[in-house]
Amino acid sequence: DQQVKQNSPSLSVQEGRISILNCDYTNSMFDYFLWYKKYPAEGPTFLISISSIKDKNEDGRFTVFLNKSAKHLSLHIVPSQPGDSAVYFCAASAVFKTSYDKVIFGPGTSLSVIP
Amino acid sequence: ETGVTQTPRHLVMGMTNKKSLKCEQHLGHNAMYWYKQSAKKPLELMFVYNFKEQTENNSVPSRFSPECPNSSHLFLHLHTLQPEDSALYLCASSHPGYNIQYFGAGTRLSVL
Repeated sequence: DQQVKQNSPSLSVQEGRISILNCDYTNSMFDYFLWYKKYPAEGPTFLISISSIKDKNEDGRFTVFLNKSAKHLSLHIVPSQPGDSAVYFCAASAVFKTSYDKVIFGPGTSLSVIP
Repeated sequence: ETGVTQTPRHLVMGMTNKKSLKCEQHLGHNAMYWYKQSAKKPLELMFVYNFKEQTENNSVPSRFSPECPNSSHLFLHLHTLQPEDSALYLCASSHPGYNIQYFGAGTRLSVL
């Protein structure tokens, strides 16, 4: 049973418009959430994160929203650019619960930004 | 050279071969990880090493054998693999206590 779900395997968006990628989780113990971006033939790279004490975190064109009651987070990319075309992984972890970072990843959403 | 480097990038092996995947990080981290990514599936954590000690073995078959000689190097020794082991194997590292992991580009493994 997946603890982190990304129900949209793919998403296509026009350049300049907003991309919204969604993620749901089941474990209420998760208190730190991350988004990673992966290009073909490369490893995932960290994009943005949010702690459960916040409901929004913004970094340039990227904003992550967290709704703890719904166990839902989303990544907004505004404006979308063709270089944003990649697979986006949502991930969740419990901070300081262990001596290492056990991060649970979702299956990913493939974003295509159309010029 | 900086970051996390994995070699080889591609590997084709028969079911009776023995091979090793190598990971090296130049970030000063003390935690290192092996993940498996199969098509259309989430990244699956395989092993975790924290200060060279294995702290997690996520029910991985014994045909996968990790080795961490120091905090900068991680190996995954492979023997008598099955075709279903074909996947992208990713190495990552982090500072202990921090959730952000830095990944290598992966080794694309094909088992024939």
